[in-house]
Amino acid sequence: DSGVTQTPKHLITATGQRVTLRCSPRSGDLSVYWYQQSLDQGLQFLIQYYNGEERAKGNILERFSAQQFPDLHSELNLSSLELGDSALYFCASSFSTGALSGELFFGEGSRLTVL
Amino acid sequence: DQQVKQNSPSLSVQEGRISILNCDYTNSMFDYFLWYKKYPAEGPTFLISISSIKDKNEDGRFTVFLNKSAKHLSLHIVPSQPGDSAVYFCAASAKKSSGDKLTFGTGTRLAVRP
Repeated sequence: DSGVTQTPKHLITATGQRVTLRCSPRSGDLSVYWYQQSLDQGLQFLIQYYNGEERAKGNILERFSAQQFPDLHSELNLSSLELGDSALYFCASSFSTGALSGELFFGEGSRLTVL
Repeated sequence: DQQVKQNSPSLSVQEGRISILNCDYTNSMFDYFLWYKKYPAEGPTFLISISSIKDKNEDGRFTVFLNKSAKHLSLHIVPSQPGDSAVYFCAASAKKSSGDKLTFGTGTRLAVRP
């Protein structure tokens, strides 16, 4: 158990809809990262938040947005969903950006299926 | 642009033998490298890491080698065990410029045959 909690574990929805994925980081971790893993692909970095502020942005579509709340949990919002958005979405956390270890702790992922 | 590449999508080895997983990178700013293991229906878990100031790091049966001039790293598992069967992801970060943000390869699926 990594200590990172993601909900929901599975989600099936239709094209054009909007969904919200939720992540609670490990206790004490200030940074939250979102990654997308499509079929047979590596983990693609989407976005990072550190203590409530956006720190880094990757290949995140404009239809997607995220935020980190004062209690440090984070939400990833996916809107106008397309078939190609079907993927595993992972949340990861770390204590700080620039930490010596560099290790990220991952949740079990949220599997999104768009029909 | 795939900055971290794992060119072998799969690898099969006999139990007790050595497993060697390879990874290449293109970004010379990367200064920290990690290997993650992923079982089905689980999130990736950290396995071992190496800083760019080293060329080898060992942890039990797992050893990571870094060749900076070739921009290549490898993970050696000796001896391989059936429980090692998983997908292994190579990851890299440019800690001085990008902090802990990791760039991942596409993974290598390791199957260890009993």
